[in-house]
Amino acid sequence: EVQLVQSGAEVKKPGESLKISCKGSGYRFSNHWIGWVRQMPGKGLEWMGIIYPGDSDTRYSPSFQGQVTISVDKSISTAYLQWSSLKASDTAMYYCARVVTTTNWFDPWGQGTLVTVSS
Amino acid sequence: NFLLTQPHSVSESPGKTVTISCTRSSGSIASNYVQWYQQRPGSSPTTVIYEDNHRPSGVPDRFSGSIDYSSNSASLTISGLKTEDEADYYCQSYDSSNLWVFGGGTKLTVL
Repeated sequence: EVQLVQSGAEVKKPGESLKISCKGSGYRFSNHWIGWVRQMPGKGLEWMGIIYPGDSDTRYSPSFQGQVTISVDKSISTAYLQWSSLKASDTAMYYCARVVTTTNWFDPWGQGTLVTVSS
Repeated sequence: NFLLTQPHSVSESPGKTVTISCTRSSGSIASNYVQWYQQRPGSSPTTVIYEDNHRPSGVPDRFSGSIDYSSNSASLTISGLKTEDEADYYCQSYDSSNLWVFGGGTKLTVL
């Protein structure tokens, strides 16, 4: 079974750094792009960026370029999303999802990581 | 870039049929496939339709997808509504500038 398991919920203060993870299993992790999607409280889905574990090729949505960093460690089948200085507006649920690159959609999705940034 | 516009909410009674639209703002709806995701409260999204009109295994045939080229839109139709279908539904497509685009989501209420 293809599965993506994300790290647990985080509570941080503004200005702190954070790195959340997404571990893939049940498939050849290196051969499939992984995407990150933000969902702010009560809002819709926003695509943030994608990474190809095979060579770490990364693409960002213009809305998130420079705001976050996506990385990967293919040796442990894990992708990461990180912030160097969190803001209250980063409070959201963050999902990773495997990209079906032949036709550009997401499946399956991880269970989500809730990030709360509050002073 | 383009936008995908969905109605904010729809409601219908159990056993009835509901259709949710997803209109592409610019460029042809046929340019890239449209997917539909279901998100139940407190859960992550799951795919109910991919590549315009295909159902993943395990998704009941009450769910169907279609494309209307005249209105430049995609539609998700759910027939024989059940209370378990109550969820948010998102359409999604892709832009050739390497952008994944989601619609704003439609809240389906089965009352």
